[in-house]
Amino acid sequence: DTAVSQTPKYLVTQMGNDKSIKCEQNLGHDTMYWYKQDSKKFLKIMFSYNNKELIINETVPNRFSPKSPDKAHLNLHINSLELGDSAVYFCASSQDGAGVAYNEQFFGPGTRLTVL
Amino acid sequence: SQKIEQNSEALNIQEGKTATLTCNYTNYSPAYLQWYRQDPGRGPVFLLLIRENEKEKRKERLKVTFDTTLKQSLFHITASQPADSATYLCALDDNQGGKLIFGQGTELSVKP
Repeated sequence: DTAVSQTPKYLVTQMGNDKSIKCEQNLGHDTMYWYKQDSKKFLKIMFSYNNKELIINETVPNRFSPKSPDKAHLNLHINSLELGDSAVYFCASSQDGAGVAYNEQFFGPGTRLTVL
Repeated sequence: SQKIEQNSEALNIQEGKTATLTCNYTNYSPAYLQWYRQDPGRGPVFLLLIRENEKEKRKERLKVTFDTTLKQSLFHITASQPADSATYLCALDDNQGGKLIFGQGTELSVKP
């Protein structure tokens, strides 16, 4: 019955590798997001999708590529991982209009990525 | 430059007292502001949303105020309990395309 789920919960990998994080929401929401929370606990938006269309793309290195196969899923693929990519990545969803975020966001449990 | 700041990184209070957390922002004109709770190892959980034309919002023991002149929101937890111990995040919309900007959070610890 989990509303927003992410896999894996922990990801430990070597520098230079490519990895993916998956996210699914069963709330019927139109909008999904990826956030990065660094060691100082700042939560910063990376991307948002509305009905499979990219709406927000912050200044994120193009090694990060989100993919939304349908509006219930938003995956994050990261190429050539670097030490600075180590963080907790959160997926979230909300029932919003395109380009407008009125409503509460529902967050997944997070994926702790450690790059060695 | 645009900034959103929460008053302190950590706040310690005694059980039963009122906790007051502050969120200040500069160079934003948000239409609304949200407060979230985050427990260790978990994702943030939405608590309250307040719109720019609302001065105050309440939900059970929680109260949020929003002063667009002072550019400040206050978040109060009355009759605090140890179970209220968590990190509280404020977030505002940047009024440009639906992005939420989060503060760095205040870690609240309620001692019995």
